[in-house]
Amino acid sequence: AQSVTQLDSHVSVSEGTPVLLRCNYSSSYSPSLFWYVQHPNKGLQLLLKYTSAATLVKGINGFEAEFKKSETSFHLTKPSAHMSDAAEYFCVVSNNNDMRFGAGTRLTVKP
Amino acid sequence: EPEVTQTPSHQVTQMGQEVILRCVPISNHLYFYWYRQILGQKVEFLVSFYNNEISEKSEIFDDQFSVERPDGSNFTLKIRSTKLEDSAMYFCASSEAPGGNTGELFFGEGSRLTVL
Repeated sequence: AQSVTQLDSHVSVSEGTPVLLRCNYSSSYSPSLFWYVQHPNKGLQLLLKYTSAATLVKGINGFEAEFKKSETSFHLTKPSAHMSDAAEYFCVVSNNNDMRFGAGTRLTVKP
Repeated sequence: EPEVTQTPSHQVTQMGQEVILRCVPISNHLYFYWYRQILGQKVEFLVSFYNNEISEKSEIFDDQFSVERPDGSNFTLKIRSTKLEDSAMYFCASSEAPGGNTGELFFGEGSRLTVL
């Protein structure tokens, strides 16, 4: 069985400051991990994915995430938040066809 | 850029009515999925579909639900007799390879179902 826990339901940052969205996973196998973003009234868009290659993964829009097996974490970061980053972010753990979503973290960016 | 499209974007129905949600996956994709998100809750897996048959389904996907690929392009989710608790956003997704290890899932914008 596998699961994912997003530690913060809501994160608020000021524009230009760093973003950290936390994700911990549980998996019996070597998992694949993803971050998806959902803007209001839009579908889910893939930000980045980890599939057992480099542990530091770079995604779109300046986001990156680091896979830390010892901590079972896959936190999402961005050095400098932009207003357009305001959205819901989902961490996803997967093995084959079994994809499990976290509860989501709503990111608010203040001007 | 190719995308997954879903219709309708919002449907309101009476309890007990049948509902069909439609999806057009990306044309060269072979794996299709339905997920749902009840307001304020997690995105939940419903079903995956490959080679014209269900490959996996969750415990949510009971006998009231069915999926079909009636032609070469559409992928539909039918709820036979809707219940209040079926109110949710339903997301269709497709992928070239099995979702997860290497296959990225491409999601549609969702169909919001409201059951009154």
